[in-house]
Amino acid sequence: AQKVTQAQTEISVVEKEDVTLDCVYETRDTTYYLFWYKQPPSGELVFLIRRNSFDEQNEISGRYSWNFQKSTSSFNFTITASQVVDSAVYFCALSEGRGSTLGRLYFGRGTQLTVWP
Amino acid sequence: NAGVTQTPKFRVLKTGQSMTLLCAQDMNHEYMYWYRQDPGMGLRLIHYSVGEGTTAKGEVPDGYNVSRLKKQNFLLGLESAAPSQTSVYFCASSYSSLAQETQYFGPGTRLLVL
Repeated sequence: AQKVTQAQTEISVVEKEDVTLDCVYETRDTTYYLFWYKQPPSGELVFLIRRNSFDEQNEISGRYSWNFQKSTSSFNFTITASQVVDSAVYFCALSEGRGSTLGRLYFGRGTQLTVWP
Repeated sequence: NAGVTQTPKFRVLKTGQSMTLLCAQDMNHEYMYWYRQDPGMGLRLIHYSVGEGTTAKGEVPDGYNVSRLKKQNFLLGLESAAPSQTSVYFCASSYSSLAQETQYFGPGTRLLVL
C-alpha cells in the first residue's frame, strides 16, 4: 500500500490563480515527518519544507503555504498567485520515526503542476 | 559547497553492458542513498549507506550493487544493464539516519538502456 498518496497526477492553472496540491499519508507511528520537494523541468529535486507530527501549525513562506491536518492524515500545499516559474513536479514524502524504517523517505508519485501565462 | 554531485549526467548503454554511477557529497554527511525515478512512480530507494564501508538494500535493489569506500562517495553499479533499468537515478545524502533529517539530492543521472 502506498504510504503517501498524491491523487492529482496533473494540474493546470493560469498564472495568478491559487492552486492546492493534495497529499495524504498513512503511518502507524506517532512520530513522523513530512516533506515537500519540487522538481522543476531542469530535473533536480529541491527541498521545500519539513514538518513533524507534533506541530500542526500551518506554515507560510511567501506565496507558499502548507496545511497539516492529522485528523485527515493530510499535508496539503498551496501556492498563492501562481507563476509560470512554479511549473514543476511536486513530491510529498514521509519519514517514520522508529524501527527499521528510520530515516527512510517514502515518496508519493508526484503532481505535475503547469502554470500557463 | 557543491552539495551533492553526480556523474555522469546522461548515459546510453546497450543491454548487458556495465557501468558505475558516482555520487559525491561535500557536506560530511554520514548517510547516502540511491533512488530511481520512473514516470508516475515517484522515487524508489535502491540502496543506502549508513557510513563508510556499510551498505544496505532498499526497496528495489535487484540488478544493482553499491560501494562506499570513502565517506564522501557512494557508487552505484549495474553489472549487466537491462532495458528495465532505464530511469533517472538520484543520489541523496543526510547528516544522520534520524527521521527528521532532510535528504539533499544530486541533479540526477539519466540512463537509457537499449
